[in-house]
Amino acid sequence: AQSVTQLDSQVPVFEEAPVELRCNYSSSVSVYLFWYVQYPNQGLQLLLKYLSGSTLVKGINGFEAEFNKSQTSFHLRKPSVHISDTAEYFCAVSDDRGSTLGRLYFGRGTQLTVWP
Amino acid sequence: DTEVTQTPKHLVMGMTNKKSLKCEQHMGHRAMYWYKQKAKKPPELMFVYSYEKLSINESVPSRFSPECPNSSLLNLHLHALQPEDSALYLCASSQDFAPGVGQYFGPGTRLLVL
Repeated sequence: AQSVTQLDSQVPVFEEAPVELRCNYSSSVSVYLFWYVQYPNQGLQLLLKYLSGSTLVKGINGFEAEFNKSQTSFHLRKPSVHISDTAEYFCAVSDDRGSTLGRLYFGRGTQLTVWP
Repeated sequence: DTEVTQTPKHLVMGMTNKKSLKCEQHMGHRAMYWYKQKAKKPPELMFVYSYEKLSINESVPSRFSPECPNSSLLNLHLHALQPEDSALYLCASSQDFAPGVGQYFGPGTRLLVL
C-alpha cells in the first residue's frame, strides 16, 4: 500500500507571504500525485496533479508543486497567499495497479491559515 | 457540467431512522466513490462502484448500504446508525480507473446521528 506523510498539521502565515506545504510519499510502484483543497464546510477540490513529464506542475489559484523522485516529495507552494487561501490541504497518491481502481491514499492534511 | 451534486446538505437522524444520501454526476464518469470524513481528518474510502457494480467495500458495517441505480446516480442508504457515524459523507467520481485521472468530489452531506 501507499503512504503519504504531511509533516505539518498546521501552517500559519501572513497575507502576501510565500508558503510551502510539505508532502512525502512512499511506494514500491509508480505513483500519481495530487493536491486537493477543502474550504470550510465544502468538499474537496482538485488543485493540481502530477502524472509524468515536467516535474513542476502548475494548478489553480496560483499554486504549484514540484515532484522530486529522489526525495519522494511533492511539495505545494504559492509565492503570495491571500486570506481566501485559508483551508485544509490534502496531498494524495494513486498508483497504476489495476487492482486499486484509482484509489486515492490521502495524507492527514495541513491546515493553512492566512492572517491579515 | 463538471460537478458532482449531493443531497441533502445536512441530515439529522435518530438511531432507529432510515434515510438515504444521494449523489449525482452528469460527466459520463464510470467510477463513483463514497467517503466518510471526520473532523480534521482525511476522507476514508467506503465503497467504489465501477460501471454501476460494487467493486470495493472497505469492510463497512451493513448499516450502510450503497446502491447505484444508473451510471449517473449513487445512493447510500442508512439504517440503525450509531452516534459515531456522524460525519461528512463525500461522494466522488472519476472518468474511469486509468492511472492518474483523479477524482471529482461533491460538497458532501453532513450527517448527525442522535
